[in-house]
Amino acid sequence: GQQLNQSPQSMFIQEGEDVSMNCTSSSIFNTWLWYKQDPGEGPVLLIALYKAGELTSNGRLTAQFGITRKDSFLNISASIPSDVGIYFCAGVGTASKLTFGTGTRLQVTL
Amino acid sequence: DAGVIQSPRHEVTEMGQEVTLRCKPISGHNSLFWYRQTMMRGLELLIYFNNNVPIDDSGMPEDRFSAKMPNASFSTLKIQPSEPRDSAVYFCASGTSGRSEQYFGPGTRLTVT
Repeated sequence: GQQLNQSPQSMFIQEGEDVSMNCTSSSIFNTWLWYKQDPGEGPVLLIALYKAGELTSNGRLTAQFGITRKDSFLNISASIPSDVGIYFCAGVGTASKLTFGTGTRLQVTL
Repeated sequence: DAGVIQSPRHEVTEMGQEVTLRCKPISGHNSLFWYRQTMMRGLELLIYFNNNVPIDDSGMPEDRFSAKMPNASFSTLKIQPSEPRDSAVYFCASGTSGRSEQYFGPGTRLTVT
């Protein structure tokens, strides 16, 4: 099945640094979702974006819905050790079907 | 509030055996989704239900897979007979029709030997 392209694939950062990741698609989506998955657990919804150009924050997380509707961005400010995990974007198509990105693995060093 | 509940969390079975995975969606949600996650293919939608009715099962890999939702609070995904290539983590997610957000359970890690 189709997966959206996420970059970077993985990243090591130091505690306190800001993080940026993005997700691109060849198709247009009307909604973008961002999830975080911890080892051995299911994805947890972080942020939902509903309109092109929309910028939404959830604590230290900020996400944007690209104006072309083919991309989305997630930023994490002042990273902490519990930010470790895999971050997935998901584009929502017809009938609420999600197409997931390939994931960005975040690892934080103290 | 309880989230999506899945059981078992881990299942190890031998090739050819029947496997049944169970899911209880969040109370009040009327959409339910079954996903499979592997390293190679990521998260793939297998089937989804709306108001207990299967809407799209185009992601179900083959006839060995079947899913049911007898009522609003319970769904099963069955694999019969199981094969080693079915080894994966299977997730159930629920949501509300008309809204995009889906909430995932903790998953069932299936290993078929």
